[in-house]
Amino acid sequence: AQSVTQLGSHVSVSEGALVLLRCNYSSSVPPYLFWYVQYPNQGLQLLLKYTSAATLVKGINGFEAEFKKSETSFHLTKPSAHMSDAAEYFCAVSDKGYSTLTFGKGTMLLVSP
Amino acid sequence: NAGVTQTPKFQVLKTGQSMTLQCAQDMNHEYMSWYRQDPGMGLRLIHYSVGAGITDQGEVPNGYNVSRSTTEDFPLRLLSAAPSQTSVYFCASMSTGAYNEQFFGPGTRLTVL
Repeated sequence: AQSVTQLGSHVSVSEGALVLLRCNYSSSVPPYLFWYVQYPNQGLQLLLKYTSAATLVKGINGFEAEFKKSETSFHLTKPSAHMSDAAEYFCAVSDKGYSTLTFGKGTMLLVSP
Repeated sequence: NAGVTQTPKFQVLKTGQSMTLQCAQDMNHEYMSWYRQDPGMGLRLIHYSVGAGITDQGEVPNGYNVSRSTTEDFPLRLLSAAPSQTSVYFCASMSTGAYNEQFFGPGTRLTVL
């Protein structure tokens, strides 16, 4: 079965600082990887996805992630945090013959002024 | 397109009661899934379907039933509610294709007393 590990249940940064959210995966098949964001009391919104076309993936709101097969990682970064980035972020890998997702436990990003 | 819709948005049940969470999508997606979200646990797969008439269990299926009689609808039934089923429930759909994203509904917040 596929699995995802997100290091750090909470990450705190100052506004303008680099954001780095870590994700490592385990997959028995070529992985397709996703980052979703959830703002308070809302549903999930796709930030970006890795589909094997390019290892560096750019998403919405200035986020990007790099797929590193040798490290089985798909870390999410943003050069400069904004207050509006405060949310919970989930890394996920395709599962069940690519018909569902297996999620990490999530990382809450806190942004201070 | 309305996307993925879920009803109700909120529900309070007493232990032992039964109910059905409704999910519908208007994107003609073959794949549909139900997840539950609990603090610190991420999203966990309850049941999923790869087409009308085909369903299968996910990671946490106990206490839940599903059926898929049409492409559009994928209801989740709680047979005898328990406090452990207090959670936020998300329905998702996606088209076939390994790297396609899942589209999530707005969620149903369920409390079992």
